[in-house]
Amino acid sequence: GEDVEQSLFLSVREGDSSVINCTYTDSSSTYLYWYKQEPGAGLQLLTYIFSNMDMKQDQRLTVLLNKKDKHLSLRIADTQTGDSAIYFCAESKGSSASKIIFGSGTRLSIRP
Amino acid sequence: EAQVTQNPRYLITVTGKKLTVTCSQNMNHEYMSWYRQDPGLGLRQIYYSMNVEVTDKGDVPEGYKVSRKEKRNFPLILESPSPNQTSLYFCASSLSQSRYEQYFGPGTRLTVT
Repeated sequence: GEDVEQSLFLSVREGDSSVINCTYTDSSSTYLYWYKQEPGAGLQLLTYIFSNMDMKQDQRLTVLLNKKDKHLSLRIADTQTGDSAIYFCAESKGSSASKIIFGSGTRLSIRP
Repeated sequence: EAQVTQNPRYLITVTGKKLTVTCSQNMNHEYMSWYRQDPGLGLRQIYYSMNVEVTDKGDVPEGYKVSRKEKRNFPLILESPSPNQTSLYFCASSLSQSRYEQYFGPGTRLTVT
């Protein structure tokens, strides 16, 4: 995941907002994604954003994209214990967006 | 139920003994892909396939082979496994036109001794 970077850990109090950050390097990326991986499970697509968008909101999730700084963030409002997981940022690359590059993942833990 | 299945889920083998991990999807997806997940490295793409008989290398293809003879199946072949291929492997699929929505299998944990 050298093209996509994330911090490894984030600890948040239950009920607070979580903000997970990601930086990427390919300015030609078509899509940027956030995936969630719960223990012992595969990855589940949470949300995605097209590169021509700045923001996308879906219930408790807000994705912000700063193309100038190549920075992507995922905000989870009212964080719950069920949000504990590893969150992966990813970008699509290549002329047909066929290659997907993942970050190393951010482990989100929730404090009571 | 729409899903991606992988077999086996767990495998312990020895260096040099050829193995195949199967992947099958029932959603008529054109795009399929294999990843390996290692601690601190996230997921790295091994191979992907845009359609039947069309495959291409991802970021870490060395030591792996794939084939796509049918749309639903995309097996991963390790001709001569080595300990550095010990990892957690995921297969994924998506529609060609909406490639961003990848569906992942449950994973195969492989240990090569």
